[in-house]
Amino acid sequence: DQQVKQNSPSLSVQEGRISILNCDYTNSMFDYFLWYKKYPAEGPTFLISISSIKDKNEDGRFTVFLNKSAKHLSLHIVPSQPGDSAVYFCAASARNTGNQFYFGTGTSLTVIP
Amino acid sequence: GAVVSQHPSWVICKSGTSVKIECRSLDFQATTMFWYRQFPKQSLMLMATSNEGSKATYEQGVEKDKFLINHASLTLSTLTVTSAHPEDSSFYICSARVGTGGLGNEKLFFGSGTQLSVL
Repeated sequence: DQQVKQNSPSLSVQEGRISILNCDYTNSMFDYFLWYKKYPAEGPTFLISISSIKDKNEDGRFTVFLNKSAKHLSLHIVPSQPGDSAVYFCAASARNTGNQFYFGTGTSLTVIP
Repeated sequence: GAVVSQHPSWVICKSGTSVKIECRSLDFQATTMFWYRQFPKQSLMLMATSNEGSKATYEQGVEKDKFLINHASLTLSTLTVTSAHPEDSSFYICSARVGTGGLGNEKLFFGSGTQLSVL
């Protein structure tokens, strides 16, 4: 049962443009969300988080938007850089599940120079 | 951010042998660590939650006797794949939770992963 879904397995964007990565979830109890970046054969690296009391969180070139009614969040990267090329995972957790994190299947982002 | 060290990064073993993977929190104490498994082009799948000083909590479908987890100290958790078989070949990743569990301050920090290849 995939509670967190990333429906786009891959995305290609021109350098300097905006990258938008999407994530949907089914559990309305999720109240905390994270985005991770992962290179091959490495562990994921934390990027940015957002809690359900907010609808936007920004950190440099990375902005995460949360639409609770649609159970949807997105990660915007502006401007995109070649070094951003990686697999991006979203993760969600809920306090009533012991804060276990559920991960999406990932989106492979390629930024074309 | 917090540093989680995972060792070894790559291991090749013969079928039937056991392999131990270590996960250390280098600059903080982790009462809870998590072990994940990732197959190519798939999501990170939680295998078990490792709690310092107590038994690990395994996810449904994960064999406790095959994947032995020990969390003997606040900075070290180990995963032992016993009697490994080719179908156990995968990328194993540990993580530690940092934060008090309240909204907005909890993060997972990951080790660099271990690629296990069983011949």
